[in-house]
Amino acid sequence: GENVEQHPSTLSVQEGDSAVIKCTYSDSASNYFPWYKQELGKRPQLIIDIRSNVGEKKDQRIAVTLNKTAKHFSLHITETQPEDSAVYFCAARAQGSNYQLIWGAGTKLIIKP
Amino acid sequence: SQTIHQWPATLVQPVGSPLSLECTVEGTSNPNLYWYRQAAGRGLQLLFYSVGIGQISSEVPQNLSASRPQDRQFILSSKKLLLSDSGFYLCAWSVTGSTGELFFGEGSRLTVL
Repeated sequence: GENVEQHPSTLSVQEGDSAVIKCTYSDSASNYFPWYKQELGKRPQLIIDIRSNVGEKKDQRIAVTLNKTAKHFSLHITETQPEDSAVYFCAARAQGSNYQLIWGAGTKLIIKP
Repeated sequence: SQTIHQWPATLVQPVGSPLSLECTVEGTSNPNLYWYRQAAGRGLQLLFYSVGIGQISSEVPQNLSASRPQDRQFILSSKKLLLSDSGFYLCAWSVTGSTGELFFGEGSRLTVL
């Protein structure tokens, strides 16, 4: 079955710098890759997603890139701000099994003032 | 618009006591429904999912059970709680057959003493 690995587990960056979080997946048939942000004590919320028919997607300061050949995708946050501090989860959609998401372990992003 | 309600938000229960967490979704029909658990500082563990009334799939064998008595109602139960059941429980829904977004409820924080 599908397996998703996420790195790093913790990332600390200076405010204004960029942050990159990487995920790798094992099932080459996976075709949907979302990123969720979870603030402390809150529910996860979708911030951006990408499907396998595109290589990159941007939404203001957030972008996601997908390399299907290497089976990895990355979240890029530019000009980081204090409100970007949160735990970020990547996921991949496995084929079959009612379209279940397989989740990465999460990355705690800390923005230093 | 669609909304998801989950309750109670917080509860403290003694070991061996029963549990009932409830989740309802409004504004959509025949959603896929999910129960996730998140241990402190950890990732998202899928416990149960349901594609229709009375249809429950279990991802992790344990002392928890789930039921879907109505189309938009999903209940998580236990007859006897264990210390290891402590965590943050999240109900979620998605559009049937969709490879799109997962919408989470506010979560229920359970502490078993």
